[in-house]
Amino acid sequence: DTEVTQTPKHLVMGMTNKKSLKCEQHMGHRAMYWYKQKAKKPPELMFVYSYEKLSINESVPSRFSPECPNSSLLNLHLHALQPEDSALYLCASSHPPGQEDNEQFFGPGTRLTVL
Amino acid sequence: GQQVMQIPQYQHVQEGEDFTTYCNSSTTLSNIQWYKQRPGGHPVFLIQLVKSGEVKKQKRLTFQFGEAKKNSSLHITATQTTDVGTYFCAGKRYGGATNKLIFGTGTLLAVQP
Repeated sequence: DTEVTQTPKHLVMGMTNKKSLKCEQHMGHRAMYWYKQKAKKPPELMFVYSYEKLSINESVPSRFSPECPNSSLLNLHLHALQPEDSALYLCASSHPPGQEDNEQFFGPGTRLTVL
Repeated sequence: GQQVMQIPQYQHVQEGEDFTTYCNSSTTLSNIQWYKQRPGGHPVFLIQLVKSGEVKKQKRLTFQFGEAKKNSSLHITATQTTDVGTYFCAGKRYGGATNKLIFGTGTLLAVQP
């Protein structure tokens, strides 16, 4: 299984809502990532988990809260978002640092619209 | 901070023509990866280059990593409509202990049948 799944595919939320994005992989990868991608721009790294511990937070606002409950799952909890947070949110996984084969496998993404 | 630029931003070709995108980093990279993102899709890994001066081929695609490990290129011979998409290079900073990739700005390829 070389697939990363993400739910939901689309999400529309108001600025006062709380929602969560979910990501799952069963490739045995111990590094998982959240990226944000705006239209016609490259993916922008938000968070990296390595062995279920947060290893990188790219100065992301606290209204985004990541969680890694186990080695297969990654969540992104959203609260009090702003319209400019509307974007495609991509999850990815890979082998952890130090391994040669560390290509990143991306999920299909969640397209988020904040009203 | 580290920046990875790609040129051109956009290229429109006739089917059968060749295409090249260039990737330049402001700092030395330990390796470089290339990804393709179809319109409406997600990035899909194409290849990884690790050694200085390395050249790798995948059918009609040729990838090069510069001698100084600060630049890379992707060349597609005889483009097809299936090649349409945005091509991103993504570099890992030399000496970095993480899997943090810095994505290039991307080149959008349009192929006219």
